[in-house]
Amino acid sequence: SAPTQTASVSGSPGQSITISCTVSTSDIADDDSVSWYQQHPGKAPKVILYDVGHRPSGISDRFSGSRSANTAYLTISGLQADDEADYYCASYSNTLTFDWVFGGGTKLTVL
Amino acid sequence: QALLVESGGGVVQPGRSLRLSCAASGFNFNSSPMVWVRQAPGRGLEWMAFVSSDGTKKYYADSVKGRHTISRDNSRNSVFLQMDGLKVDDTAVYYCARGSSDWSYFDYWGQGTLVTVSS
Repeated sequence: SAPTQTASVSGSPGQSITISCTVSTSDIADDDSVSWYQQHPGKAPKVILYDVGHRPSGISDRFSGSRSANTAYLTISGLQADDEADYYCASYSNTLTFDWVFGGGTKLTVL
Repeated sequence: QALLVESGGGVVQPGRSLRLSCAASGFNFNSSPMVWVRQAPGRGLEWMAFVSSDGTKKYYADSVKGRHTISRDNSRNSVFLQMDGLKVDDTAVYYCARGSSDWSYFDYWGQGTLVTVSS
């Protein structure tokens, strides 16, 4: 089943926001197989976190990730106008079958 | 610099077929698993298909299993998605992306190609 994300979140420049992603425990390969993607309108997605809290090269340290039980969190600190985008979490499962499932997405509005 | 360029999208009638291509450059394609991900208009991302670096392992989402086929040609640094029996619900932007070495996430993405299924 698809991870569950809050539909929308908003914050003012400079503030911090957190987006949650609740995953079925049977849907993850291991406890850290959650990634996060940022997508601006009309653009391709871009990975911003993998294995819960690891940042690819070039991704700002304003983006951080954590996990508690079966919920992963994306925190964006020091909000900037360019952070306004859709954010998707994704889980990877290699238990019963190989499967990659995206959450429904969270629309971040920077006020 | 990694680059993925999709092609082959367009308008097609329901029930017809279409073959998407994705040309890769700037990274070691031969050792990279590849996937197709789609996004229907105004909707979220949906993983469609996966192929391992050597092409021997292929996995599909239930929504396309038996209708779509992923393949790759490492000599041409390309991955393909053969889509048969297209339905209106297959209308979407189709992205190819590179899988990480442990298959758990997708690190490089193309800009996508639009497929519209309409009579």
